Amino acid sequence: AQSVSQHNHHVILSEAASLELGCNYSYGGTVNLFWYVQYPGQHLQLLLKYFSGDPLVKGIKGFEAEFIKSKFSFNLRKPSVQWSDTAEYFCAVTPYGNNRLAFGKGNQVVVIP
Amino acid sequence: NAGVTQTPKFRILKIGQSMTLQCAQDMNHNYMYWYRQDPGMGLKLIYYSVGAGITDKGEVPNGYNVSRSTTEDFPLRLELAAPSQTSVYFCASVGSGARLDNEQFFGPGTRLTVL
Repeated sequence: AQSVSQHNHHVILSEAASLELGCNYSYGGTVNLFWYVQYPGQHLQLLLKYFSGDPLVKGIKGFEAEFIKSKFSFNLRKPSVQWSDTAEYFCAVTPYGNNRLAFGKGNQVVVIP
Repeated sequence: NAGVTQTPKFRILKIGQSMTLQCAQDMNHNYMYWYRQDPGMGLKLIYYSVGAGITDKGEVPNGYNVSRSTTEDFPLRLELAAPSQTSVYFCASVGSGARLDNEQFFGPGTRLTVL
């Protein structure tokens, strides 16, 4: 079964700082990759996804992620965070054609005004 | 579309009680899922269904049961509640199409406490 690793579970940043969250997965075949965000008290929402094509994916709210196949990674980035980016971020992976998602443990991000 | 809806939002159970968590979606999605979310542990798949009448176990199925009599509904049953089942439960659904676009849509969650 595939597994997903997210490091640095707790991240604290000041506004305008840059954010990068790492995501590594263990699966040798073609995968679909996702980043979900969960704002305090809310349910999970899709931030961005990668299926194929350009490995640099742009999502909502200024987030982007880069798929590096050779490193089995799908890191999330935002150049300048805002207080409203305080949330928990989950990386998720599914093998192509399989609708079962494997989630990482999440990154709790706190942005200090 | 209401998307994925879940009821109740909160529930407190005593050990040994039973209850059903309701989940419904109005997007005509074939695939539906139940997850539990524990702090620092991410989401763990409990059960899933690929269509009406078809269900299968996920990663952590013990202590739970599901049924899928219609495309819209996917209830999760706890027969004998235990403190280890204290968690936040999320239901999700995804459609299946030619692109196999498997973005999952999540419900708002049910926060369950077993005392």
